[in-house]
Amino acid sequence: DAGVTQSPTHLIKTRGQQVTLRCSPKSGHDTVSWYQQALGQGPQFIFQYYEEEERQRGNFPDRFSGHQFPNYSSELNVNALLLGDSALYLCASSGLGLGEETQYFGPGTRLLVL
Amino acid sequence: QKEVEQDPGPLSVPEGAIVSLNCTYSNSAFQYFMWYRQYSRKGPELLMYTYSSGNKEDGRFTAQVDKSSKYISLFIRDSQPSDSATYLCAMSESDGQNFVFGPGTRLSVLP
Repeated sequence: DAGVTQSPTHLIKTRGQQVTLRCSPKSGHDTVSWYQQALGQGPQFIFQYYEEEERQRGNFPDRFSGHQFPNYSSELNVNALLLGDSALYLCASSGLGLGEETQYFGPGTRLLVL
Repeated sequence: QKEVEQDPGPLSVPEGAIVSLNCTYSNSAFQYFMWYRQYSRKGPELLMYTYSSGNKEDGRFTAQVDKSSKYISLFIRDSQPSDSATYLCAMSESDGQNFVFGPGTRLSVLP
């Protein structure tokens, strides 16, 4: 049973560029949440997608956007990158439609903005 | 005041010790409480998931929730060097709502 997968594992970008991160949820899960984890901090909630719609959003600017596909996989897009966007980006999946609320995390994508 | 507070450590204990990890929170609406373990450069791994107040035990791990004090704990018995990691508490107001994480406590179990 495949767990949550994310790609790429590492990424280096420069300020002002745009980046797309990808996530495939755990088999059977239909909900994807994205978190940003700065070094030495706990994960901060960005947004959650369910049924291809953004269901909830944390306190992040509109530069952060996302998408969920019919197969439940998801993308996180960040525009106009800032140095402060350097972090580990985590995807977590759950099964809202199945009544399974527990979130399982992927290994993350480590983004470095220079 | 941050919504969820956690002593960042590092906490160093000898192998076999009982470890106590704690979080305090300010939002009385939190009902669901989780503990995650995160190894260096990895994603968080779910250890315990509890609803409302009370205790839950799973192997060497025991989670306690005291909603009246807004305080949750994770106890690790017979700690092992492989338990060395960062432990994150997380909580949410209701099923399916986003999780609010503490900053994590770094634990080091010395052989």
